Amino acid sequence: DQQVKQNSPSLSVQEGRISILNCDYTNSMFDYFLWYKKYPAEGPTFLISISSIKDKNEDGRFTVFLNKSAKHLSLHIVPSQPGDSAVYFCAASGGKSDYKLSFGAGTTVTVRA
Amino acid sequence: DTAVSQTPKYLVTQMGNDKSIKCEQNLGHDTMYWYKQDSKKFLKIMFSYNNKELIINETVPNRFSPKSPDKAHLNLHINSLELGDSAVYFCASSQGTGVKYFGPGTRLTVT
Repeated sequence: DQQVKQNSPSLSVQEGRISILNCDYTNSMFDYFLWYKKYPAEGPTFLISISSIKDKNEDGRFTVFLNKSAKHLSLHIVPSQPGDSAVYFCAASGGKSDYKLSFGAGTTVTVRA
Repeated sequence: DTAVSQTPKYLVTQMGNDKSIKCEQNLGHDTMYWYKQDSKKFLKIMFSYNNKELIINETVPNRFSPKSPDKAHLNLHINSLELGDSAVYFCASSQGTGVKYFGPGTRLTVT
């Protein structure tokens, strides 16, 4: 039973435009959310996170928004660059006592020149 | 100075064989994990060790046995390999329940 869902398997965006990746979760106990980026033949790399006490966290070109009532989060990348082409995984955990991470299936982003 | 390293990167073996994957982290973290990425690309946790003690043991066949000789190492031994074991296995580490840092993965192919 997937508790973290990324319903868009792929996204194509033009260089310089905004990429918006979406993620939904079903477990109301989740209170810490992360985005990972993965290139082929490499492991996932941590990108940005957000705690449930916030609704926005920004780091350079990356911003994560959290809507707790809708159990929805999104990752905005602006402006998109060719090096952003990768698979992006949304992940969630139950916070300070939860060692597990539940992952979504990933969204493949392709940035077109 | 790779943070989390795994060996081998690729492993091709026949059904019924026993194989091991090794993992080492130099981040000084106290918790290590094994995740499996199956053909549907989902990453699912298998095991976790905190300070050499097993703290997570998901529903995994007992042919899979993790071993943590010290905080910096977590190895995965698989007995009697089956076709369905083919997947990419990722090692990860974290300090407590914090951000997980992943290794490059080991692609296991069972023929």
